[in-house]
Amino acid sequence: GAGVSQSPSNKVTEKGKDVELRCDPISGHTALYWYRQSLGQGLEFLIYFQGNSAPDKSGLPSDRFSAERTGGSVSTLTIQRTQQEDSAVYLCASSRTSGSETQYFGPGTRLLVL
Amino acid sequence: SQQGEEDPQALSIQEGENATMNCSYKTSINNLQWYRQNSGRGLVHLILIRSNEREKHSGRLRVTLDTSKKSSSLLITASRAADTASYFCATDSNDYKLSFGAGTTVTVRA
Repeated sequence: GAGVSQSPSNKVTEKGKDVELRCDPISGHTALYWYRQSLGQGLEFLIYFQGNSAPDKSGLPSDRFSAERTGGSVSTLTIQRTQQEDSAVYLCASSRTSGSETQYFGPGTRLLVL
Repeated sequence: SQQGEEDPQALSIQEGENATMNCSYKTSINNLQWYRQNSGRGLVHLILIRSNEREKHSGRLRVTLDTSKKSSSLLITASRAADTASYFCATDSNDYKLSFGAGTTVTVRA
C-alpha cells in the first residue's frame, strides 16, 4: 500500500469493554509510533517500536494500554476495560528509520467509549 | 507534556492572503516539523527543518527557525480554500519522539 492504514476507522464501545486498534505501516519502514489526540488537542505520544528493539512504552497512560508489533510490521494497540476518558482519535505513524526522520501518519481510529 | 506551542490558536483569512503562524518550544531540538490536519484525522507532513537550518521553502510554504529564540514560523502564501486545516508544529529532541503543540486552526474564506 502507498501509505499507513488503520482499522477500524471508527469504533464505538461500552465502558469496560476491551478494544483492539490495528496499524499497517508503510512497507519497509522500521519505526512505528502510536499517538493519541483528544478533541481540540495536539498529539500525545504513546509508544514507539524500532526494529527488534524493546519498545518505548513511556507514553502509555495506564497499564490498561498495551501494544504489540508482530514480525516488525503490523501493530495492534489494545485498551482493556475502556473508560470514557479513553475516547480520542488514535493515530499511528511510521518512518523509514528512527532518528529525525519524517513520520507518515495513518488516518486514525476515532474511539468513542459510552 | 507538550513541547511546542502554536500561536495564534485560530486564524481566519481571505483567499489570496498570506497566513502566518508561530511555534515556540522549550528544550533544544534536532529538528522541527510542521504538519497539517484536515477534519481531525490523519496528519500530512508539510516540511522538516533541521536545527542547523534557518529557512526552508516548499511551494507556497516558507518555514523559519530561530534556535536562539526557540521559535519557528510557518508562512502560507496566496492562501486557498483547500488550506483550511489545523497546523501543528512538532519538535524532535531525542531522535524519535515527536512533541506536538495544540495547533493553529486556519480558516480561508472564499
